Amino acid sequence: QVHLVQSGAEVKKPGASVRVSCKASGYTFTSYYIHWVRQAPGQGLEWMGVINPNPSAAGTTYSQKMQGRVTLTRDTSTSTVYMELSSLRSEDTAVYYCARGRTTGESNWFDPWGQGTLVTVSS
Amino acid sequence: EIVLTQSPATLSLSPGDRATLSCRASQSVRGYLAWYQQKPGQAPRLLIYDASYRATGIPARFSGSGSGTDFTLTISSLEPEDFAVYYCQQRSNWPLTFGGGTKVAIK
Repeated sequence: QVHLVQSGAEVKKPGASVRVSCKASGYTFTSYYIHWVRQAPGQGLEWMGVINPNPSAAGTTYSQKMQGRVTLTRDTSTSTVYMELSSLRSEDTAVYYCARGRTTGESNWFDPWGQGTLVTVSS
Repeated sequence: EIVLTQSPATLSLSPGDRATLSCRASQSVRGYLAWYQQKPGQAPRLLIYDASYRATGIPARFSGSGSGTDFTLTISSLEPEDFAVYYCQQRSNWPLTFGGGTKVAIK
């Protein structure tokens, strides 16, 4: 069974960085893209970026809005993808989700999703 | 950026009713539209992809239709577990974008 398990909640001060992990299991890690989507409290969904976990292929695509502040990386030895967001501001307070592409290769439908990680930015 | 507009914002219905949700794109997304269901405190779940294909394990009461700029998600007969928020999403152009959501509430 496919599972994406994310790291726990974080509280950060404005200007700091946060790193959230997403550990995959139940499938071939390098065959499926991993996306990141966030959801501010009471709001809708916002796509942040995608990474191809295959180390022999081109790596990442980011939302222009997030470009320069978000970095996606992968560790194939532990089947884990990391999302780092820098220069945090209060508007970055949100639940951050990782989600796998539905099929192998470049797939931009999200299925399944991780359980979500709440990141709170507060002074 | 492609903007997806969902309507209505809230749909108040009773169990057994038929639900019709709309998603309109600011430019054509061809057939590259998906629908997700989100319940409170949970991650979204993929229901429909490529406008009309049900994801694995999704009941047949959920159906999707449309192409170009106008899409519809239909729930033929609402079950108690279907009361939730529904989002559409396009993958035709970068960045990938979502609609603002439709809440299906119990009347």
